[in-house]
Amino acid sequence: ETGVTQTPRHLVMGMTNKKSLKCEQHLGHNAMYWYKQSAKKPLELMFVYSLEERVENNSVPSRFSPECPNSSHLFLHLHTLQPEDSALYLCASSRADRMGNEQFFGPGTRLTVL
Amino acid sequence: AQKVTQAQTEISVVEKEDVTLDCVYETRDTTYYLFWYKQPPSGELVFLIRRNSFDEQNEISGRYSWNFQKSTSSFNFTITASQVVDSAVYFCALSFGNEKLTFGTGTRLTIIP
Repeated sequence: ETGVTQTPRHLVMGMTNKKSLKCEQHLGHNAMYWYKQSAKKPLELMFVYSLEERVENNSVPSRFSPECPNSSHLFLHLHTLQPEDSALYLCASSRADRMGNEQFFGPGTRLTVL
Repeated sequence: AQKVTQAQTEISVVEKEDVTLDCVYETRDTTYYLFWYKQPPSGELVFLIRRNSFDEQNEISGRYSWNFQKSTSSFNFTITASQVVDSAVYFCALSFGNEKLTFGTGTRLTIIP
């Protein structure tokens, strides 16, 4: 595997379910990100982990819970979601040791909340 | 506050035509970084170019070229001799060098065969 991978690619869940999104990067990066992409809205940064520490939490509801066990893996745990949480969730990674590094994105998980 | 504006929501051109995607940004910082990404139907954002605020030199990569003008706070992207494979949503983004990227709303480009 190369680049940034995300599983699952598609997920349908009910409002009472608990599920997790997984992201893995094979680029040797040490910063990872979760973004939400909704229709007709700019990409919204949700969480940032740099050197395995959370450095950004953009007022995301607590029903979204990130986890970064090491520099290569990032999870987004979901519980009690709302229909408006349906979106494409994108993971990205970058190097944290240089200013203005480009981020590399995974293919995303298309989430539908019923 | 930083902001990126991509005023063109959708553009359609016939194959082999040239097309320019506009990006205007707002920032009070003197050091910043600008990016362009491509999002094909598959969903993943593909990095195209990074430019820092001290480098106004235009860049050409094959059929792609970028025009960075600090005087007008613009970082426009031109595709020459467009092809159907160029059909995608293109995003312009801005950062101050930390981990936060501010994206524009994107321009959906459709190349008509």
